[in-house]
Amino acid sequence: DVKVTQSSRYLVKRTGEKVFLECVQDMDHENMFWYRQDPGLGLRLIYFSYDVKMKEKGDIPEGYSVSREKKERFSLILESASTNQTSMYLCASSSGHLNTEAFFGQGTRLTVV
Amino acid sequence: KNEVEQSPQNLTAQEGEFITINCSYSVGISALHWLQQHPGGGIVSLFMLSSGKKKHGRLIATINIQEKHSSLHITASHPRDSAVYICAVSGLGTDKLIFGTGTRLQVFP
Repeated sequence: DVKVTQSSRYLVKRTGEKVFLECVQDMDHENMFWYRQDPGLGLRLIYFSYDVKMKEKGDIPEGYSVSREKKERFSLILESASTNQTSMYLCASSSGHLNTEAFFGQGTRLTVV
Repeated sequence: KNEVEQSPQNLTAQEGEFITINCSYSVGISALHWLQQHPGGGIVSLFMLSSGKKKHGRLIATINIQEKHSSLHITASHPRDSAVYICAVSGLGTDKLIFGTGTRLQVFP
């Protein structure tokens, strides 16, 4: 069974903390994505990666960075967490071929207090 | 205006009813995806289609490329179908997804 696994389901962090959200996929996929999901706004792309050590900004990259040192792992970093980064974060992966299915992790609900 | 619009935003139904969720988009696409999200967050892909119609069990998805419109139908709805259904499109030449805001479906026994 194919899997995208996010390291935490729920996280509570303090304002100013550095936060790491980890995502691992076991499908040897080229592409990995980080989204945040907020009520009324849907999913919005933060960053994506088409290859190891490669990253590109999505629609809302401010306040975030990413790391992809290995093909299977894509990390989202909140350099200094703020309350407006309280959200559901979803990781996804796809094979890299056009018109293929995307696979999603179970989501991490992050609360910044 | 969002590039992907869904309607309705919220939908309630009695068990057994036929359900339709609509999705319109305003950009060129290579494929359209229907996704399901249950409470708790995880998202599952239901369909990916670029033309015509696909069927899986009680779920049917159709797309009209000329009209830039897709529908997701659920026949004989069941309470376990209660979830958020999300329409997303892949732009031309890319597999980055653009998402609608979702339709929250509740099916009551």
